[in-house]
Amino acid sequence: AQTVTQSQPEMSVQEAETVTLSCTYDTSESDYYLFWYKQPPSRQMILVIRQEAYKQQNATENRFSVNFQKAAKSFSLKISDSQLGDAAMYFCAYRSGGTSYGKLTFGQGTILTVHP
Amino acid sequence: DADVTQTPRNRITKTGKRIMLECSQTKGHDRMYWYRQDPGLGLRLIYYSFDVKDINKGEISDGYSVSRQAQAKFSLSLESAIPNQTALYFCATSDLPGRAGVRDTQYFGPGTRLTVL
Repeated sequence: AQTVTQSQPEMSVQEAETVTLSCTYDTSESDYYLFWYKQPPSRQMILVIRQEAYKQQNATENRFSVNFQKAAKSFSLKISDSQLGDAAMYFCAYRSGGTSYGKLTFGQGTILTVHP
Repeated sequence: DADVTQTPRNRITKTGKRIMLECSQTKGHDRMYWYRQDPGLGLRLIYYSFDVKDINKGEISDGYSVSRQAQAKFSLSLESAIPNQTALYFCATSDLPGRAGVRDTQYFGPGTRLTVL
């Protein structure tokens, strides 16, 4: 079974600075996808960014980018120019590319605080 | 209107009561999921359904049952609620793989906060 680990229960950053959230995963599969979800106090789950394992290029979405290290099974999220609205719980998630397509395995979450 | 809705949004109940959480979607997706969120544990899969006739247990299905009444509806039941089922419950949907234009995204409902006393 796949596992996802977020070793930072809490992180903080100053507004306009950069912060990196860590995620590692364990799998024996070669075809999979990785995601970062944001959960603000409203508790809505919002997809931030996704990465296909077969792509070497790191995904980028505006101020959000990932550092995908497939051999190390590491998938960190970098938030640049942090804004107050970035404050939330962030979850790393894994999805198999095989017949179990769709099911997500989540990490424990990292609470991000943004200081003005 | 929201694409994935959950009712109720909040519920307080007592040990031993039967509880049903309902999920409806207007996205036309075949695949639906139920997760629970606990502090320090993230979200864990309870049950999932890839179509109306296909229902599967997830990681933590004990104490739960589900019903897929239609493509758009997927209900989660707690037959006899216990305090350690106090959690935030999410319903989610996703489209079929390989379909043209599929964004490959799982869409979540707003969550139901359940408290079992």
